[in-house]
Amino acid sequence: EPEVTQTPSHQVTQMGQEVILRCVPISNHLYFYWYRQILGQKVEFLVSFYNNEISEKSEIFDDQFSVERPDGSNFTLKIRSTKLEDSAMYFCASRVVGAGEKLFFGSGTQLSVL
Amino acid sequence: SQQGEEDPQALSIQEGENATMNCSYKTSINNLQWYRQNSGRGLVHLILIRSNEREKHSGRLRVTLDTSKKSSSLLITASRAADTASYFCATGIKAAGNKLTFGGGTRVLVKP
Repeated sequence: EPEVTQTPSHQVTQMGQEVILRCVPISNHLYFYWYRQILGQKVEFLVSFYNNEISEKSEIFDDQFSVERPDGSNFTLKIRSTKLEDSAMYFCASRVVGAGEKLFFGSGTQLSVL
Repeated sequence: SQQGEEDPQALSIQEGENATMNCSYKTSINNLQWYRQNSGRGLVHLILIRSNEREKHSGRLRVTLDTSKKSSSLLITASRAADTASYFCATGIKAAGNKLTFGGGTRVLVKP
C-alpha cells in the first residue's frame, strides 16, 4: 500500500536554529497537511496546502513556519528559529481531492529543541 | 472548549471484551473520522461516517453518529491485545483545505 514518508524520524536541534522537516506524500494525492503532537497532547492542525499554496493555517503556524513543495514529490515544513516549545512530533499527511476525505499520515518526525 | 473531545480519556479492558469510546464536537460537520495511533507512530484511518449517516460498520468496528447531540461513538467488539492503542476522533468541515480537527484521544489498553 502506498505510504507517506517522512524524514528524518528524529531531529535534535539547538534553540534558534532552523530545521526543515521533509515529507514525500502519496504520489496521486493533491492535498497536503502538517500536524503536530506535543507529548501526551492532542494532534494539532498546522497548515494545509493545495495547488501550490496554503489553503488554511492555524494560529500556531506563525511567521516562523513555512511550507514548500520544491518539486513534484517533496513537501517540506521549515521552522526558521526554533523554540523549546516547538519540541513535538510533526506529522505530514496527504489525501486525494474529491470523494476521498481520509488522511494518510506519515510516521512522523520527532523534533527535540534543546 | 474544543472541537472533538473523547471520553473516556483512558480505558482498560480484558481481551474479548468490547471497548466503547465517545466523541463530542461543537460545530456542524461534513464527516467524522476515527483514527488509531500506536505509541510513537503515525495515525491510521479506521472509519469515516458522513453527516447524513447514523451508523457504520467495518469488521469489528461500529461507529454511530448523532448530529442532533453532536456526538459519535466507536465500539470495538471482541477486543484483542493488538487493539491496544490511542483512538482519536476527527471532525471534517467542508471548507478550504477540508482540514480535520482532532480530539484528545482515548488510550485503550487491552489486557491479554
